[in-house]
Amino acid sequence: GAGVSQSPSNKVTEKGKDVELRCDPISGHTALYWYRQSLGQGLEFLIYFQGNSAPDKSGLPSDRFSAERTGGSVSTLTIQRTQQEDSAVYLCASSLGTGGGYNYGYTFGSGTRLTVV
Amino acid sequence: AQSVTQLDSHVSVSEGTPVLLRCNYSSSYSPSLFWYVQHPNKGLQLLLKYTSAATLVKGINGFEAEFKKSETSFHLTKPSAHMSDAAEYFCVVSDGAGAGSYQLTFGKGTKLSVIP
Repeated sequence: GAGVSQSPSNKVTEKGKDVELRCDPISGHTALYWYRQSLGQGLEFLIYFQGNSAPDKSGLPSDRFSAERTGGSVSTLTIQRTQQEDSAVYLCASSLGTGGGYNYGYTFGSGTRLTVV
Repeated sequence: AQSVTQLDSHVSVSEGTPVLLRCNYSSSYSPSLFWYVQHPNKGLQLLLKYTSAATLVKGINGFEAEFKKSETSFHLTKPSAHMSDAAEYFCVVSDGAGAGSYQLTFGKGTKLSVIP
């Protein structure tokens, strides 16, 4: 598509429930990233995909968080047993790649605003 | 390791006056540097990027930034502020090489207010 698409745009869930957040990157972008934007915390890196594999999961805050990417395209971020501190805007970005030390830059989606009540 | 410091959390200017948003960085390699803008309830939009070409980078909407290696700075400027520039601005660094070159490190953001 023309841009990075994320769904849902807003999600309100009860504490303890599982949620799935979806990201549809720009067609042809091999790299996909998830970031979290919390009030007062800025943006923090969660996970990075190159194709379908995730070389770096270091940013996932706990084992309740997981992500997958299929077909080198759509990615799903799953949060199990949600907690109130999970409330944030979850941003997805994609890029052509980062080879050769040159950073292609990232295109961000509009994010999913998650509220855990 | 890489880090970014945005020196002002909030900047307020009058419409038609210059804008200066300050950013200092540290990076182990030759960095890539970016400025992103986020309008309320909108996604992040790339304003401009520096990737070891010209040190003075021109972006969208009349913004520009100058990479100064000796000062480790990448300040964002605009000659004349417009009401539509009111938003939050993020300075972002990425190490130019190495295993971490894909990872962006964001500053905490500067909220720009434009007074009519």
